[in-house]
Amino acid sequence: NAGVMQNPRHLVRRRGQEARLRCSPMKGHSHVYWYRQLPEEGLKFMVYLQKENIIDESGMPKERFSAEFPKEGPSILRIQQVVRGDSAAYFCASSLGSGANVLTFGAGSRLTVL
Amino acid sequence: EDQVTQSPEALRLQEGESSSLNCSYTVSGLRGLFWYRQDPGKGPEFLFTLYSAGEEKEKERLKATLTKKESFLHITAPKPEDSATYLCAVQTASHTGNQFYFGTGTSLTVIP
Repeated sequence: NAGVMQNPRHLVRRRGQEARLRCSPMKGHSHVYWYRQLPEEGLKFMVYLQKENIIDESGMPKERFSAEFPKEGPSILRIQQVVRGDSAAYFCASSLGSGANVLTFGAGSRLTVL
Repeated sequence: EDQVTQSPEALRLQEGESSSLNCSYTVSGLRGLFWYRQDPGKGPEFLFTLYSAGEEKEKERLKATLTKKESFLHITAPKPEDSATYLCAVQTASHTGNQFYFGTGTSLTVIP
């Protein structure tokens, strides 16, 4: 049971480049959440997905950010034309499904924009 | 507006000095309250889930309690390895059924 796998763990991009963060949920989990964490701040919800379906993207900026969870393969959080303010730790979590289910988190991907 | 507030922001304890962390919440339709531990450079690790007022859960030196407005994480006789950031999260009955709001955490340092 490998848990929630995120990669890359660290990513450095220059302003204007694209960042792609990947997340493989725990085995048997069909729901994926993405959170952003800035230093001294809490986890901020970005998007909630099921396979091939975005359930709630109310926390995700309307521009430059997108997320997907295809039928096969990991969930991907994509940030286009990165800016310095995108530098943060991005955490993925998965759960069994709806209801009061525990979120299991990955180790995070730390994005640094130069 | 749904809100989760944790206090204190930081707490320094001597080894063996018991204390409590607070999580107060204002949400519509609480489905569950969760406590997580986060070590530097790592993802949050699940500790407890509480569902209804009056409920208590224990694990080693930690005990979580829940009222209608707040939750406490009691730490009894802490050890240096308990040093971490403790996060509180609430799950609300949103239209998606699964919205989780996190507090900003309490950074605990236990001094030997």
